[in-house]
Amino acid sequence: DAMVIQNPRYQVTQFGKPVTLSCSQTLNHNVMYWYQQKSSQAPKLLFHYYDKDFNNEADTPDNFQSRRPNTSFCFLDIRSPGLGDAAMYLCATSGPGQISYEQYFGPGTRLTVT
Amino acid sequence: GQNIDQPTEMTATEGAIVQINCTYQTSGFNGLFWYQQHAGEAPTFLSYNVLDGLEEKGRFSSFLSRSKGYSYLLLKELQMKDSASYLCAVSRYGGSQGNLIFGKGTKLSVKP
Repeated sequence: DAMVIQNPRYQVTQFGKPVTLSCSQTLNHNVMYWYQQKSSQAPKLLFHYYDKDFNNEADTPDNFQSRRPNTSFCFLDIRSPGLGDAAMYLCATSGPGQISYEQYFGPGTRLTVT
Repeated sequence: GQNIDQPTEMTATEGAIVQINCTYQTSGFNGLFWYQQHAGEAPTFLSYNVLDGLEEKGRFSSFLSRSKGYSYLLLKELQMKDSASYLCAVSRYGGSQGNLIFGKGTKLSVKP
């Protein structure tokens, strides 16, 4: 089945220790998104790639970076995680040919910062 | 600014009908989505409205009034598995350009 895969599902890191979350997709979608979702809050868009074009949201902290080496993979790098970065991180994709451009979400990576 | 409002929590009985409202004020509008999110899981797509009116899909229907900045999700014949958060999200621009603004979600509890 075509899908969006996120690894790992649960990640524990130490305060200030860099961490990388990964996302891969078999949908061949050209757009990939990273969202941060804290408990009982709305998913918040951090950035997205339209093909290779990187689009950063204005209020995304510099501590968050992203890489997209090819169509299938996208990475979220948190350079110096703080306690406030503990959250669920959701990867999503969307692509042409969809009338509604709905976004397909991966299962998420829950990040704990100790 | 961007603002999407929906009730925080709702409770309904199995077999009943429930309506979850969403109001929005956004700079730009290119459609409104409803997503379902079970606890600890990713959101899954339910519906999309870009024109005024009602879209029906099985037990779920979604309504949009662009002039009023208002939408609702209607769930019929409620089942226990419908207990989840329901997220209203507005797409501000056309095409696959991201810019989905989400509401905080409405946590629906279905009781026997």
